[in-house]
Amino acid sequence: DAGVIQSPRHEVTEMGQEVTLRCKPISGHDYLFWYRQTMMRGLELLIYFNNNVPIDDSGMPEDRFSAKMPNASFSTLKIQPSEPRDSAVYFCASSRQGAGEQFFGPGTRLTVL
Amino acid sequence: AQSVTQLGSHVSVSEGALVLLRCNYSSSVPPYLFWYVQYPNQGLQLLLKYTTGATLVKGINGFEAEFKKSETSFHLTKPSAHMSDAAEYFCAVSDRSGGYNKLIFGAGTRLAVHP
Repeated sequence: DAGVIQSPRHEVTEMGQEVTLRCKPISGHDYLFWYRQTMMRGLELLIYFNNNVPIDDSGMPEDRFSAKMPNASFSTLKIQPSEPRDSAVYFCASSRQGAGEQFFGPGTRLTVL
Repeated sequence: AQSVTQLGSHVSVSEGALVLLRCNYSSSVPPYLFWYVQYPNQGLQLLLKYTTGATLVKGINGFEAEFKKSETSFHLTKPSAHMSDAAEYFCAVSDRSGGYNKLIFGAGTRLAVHP
């Protein structure tokens, strides 16, 4: 099993640019989660999906952030326009229905200059 | 509402000493409990989990944790620290109110191990 796959692993961009982060969950998992980790705020849940449908996006910081899951094997998190305060590590995680435990990807380190 | 409190944002131990990382949770229904470890520049990795049954749970790398309902605690221990244990550790809770699908994480404890 390849685990949760995220790309890119590192992204450096300039303020105002669009950024797209990608995630491939573990095959057969029903849930997909997007988290953001910073020194100041720790680990924050941004949004999660069940069977490709967004369930709770209350953690999305503002309208500049959007997430999609067009099918069971792919999800994107988009930031448009990006700002320096968006600099963080973004994690994707997936899980099976009712199992509790989530499996995390390696993360994407985003730097917005 | 669920919540998790990890006592001590930083813990430092000597190599070979006991590791004790504290976690208290709040949940109105029977919880599932988890410990994750995060090494530098990596994602979170599951160390161990408690769902039902035996309250003493053994995980990877010699770690174990005990679910104590009366104390609402799930402390993580390891009898003898190794240099490779230096990492950040997160306690998390999930319960039936969220269908055991959503995790609530603590703020994390950074473990330093010195020679």
